[in-house]
Amino acid sequence: GAVVSQHPSWVICKSGTSVKIECRSLDFQATTMFWYRQFPKQSLMLMATSNEGSKATYEQGVEKDKFLINHASLTLSTLTVTSAHPEDSSFYICSASGTSGKYNEQFFGPGTRLTVL
Amino acid sequence: GEDVEQSLFLSVREGDSSVINCTYTDSSSTYLYWYKQEPGAGLQLLTYIFSNMDMKQDQRLTVLLNKKDKHLSLRIADTQTGDSAIYFCAENSGGYQKVTFGTGTKLQVIP
Repeated sequence: GAVVSQHPSWVICKSGTSVKIECRSLDFQATTMFWYRQFPKQSLMLMATSNEGSKATYEQGVEKDKFLINHASLTLSTLTVTSAHPEDSSFYICSASGTSGKYNEQFFGPGTRLTVL
Repeated sequence: GEDVEQSLFLSVREGDSSVINCTYTDSSSTYLYWYKQEPGAGLQLLTYIFSNMDMKQDQRLTVLLNKKDKHLSLRIADTQTGDSAIYFCAENSGGYQKVTFGTGTKLQVIP
């Protein structure tokens, strides 16, 4: 099946620094990538949707200047958490859909655990 | 907006059947999905069903859809300890590809 990777799998940073998370589709072209945030014992919250070469579409309540998303190629999207604060600590999951799978299937990455001290 | 609700927790004995239920509100849903999430990991698509179907079987998994009541269920036959995970139902209205996830049901399988 289609594989999506994320890097890093976990990161600890100091408050005020920026952190970049990468999401890659390894064996298919991802025309659309999604970024989710998951709080402990809660569901996934869609943060934004990005199409290759276009600006990301952010969900209501998600600060676009805080969470910068770049989808520069058909296999890579990045999420940068700028000036991170402890409340940004969370599990971030990306997913991708495109030339693999059927029926709007999204393939999920393994997630990145961000801890801001 | 769309809402997708699930019960939070289900405990079953190994070998029994598990039934996880889900209700949704968006009547225009085209596809409905079941995902599995193991601890600290991403989501794995288990199965999906078109909104014009009322049942789909895939090995140990049976999905039932009652479109009138907007109710979706996942039955796992002969539940194993490896089935312990959080299960999310999700719905998608097609086109835009935006998927709305349920609140998740934690399945605990007791040996």
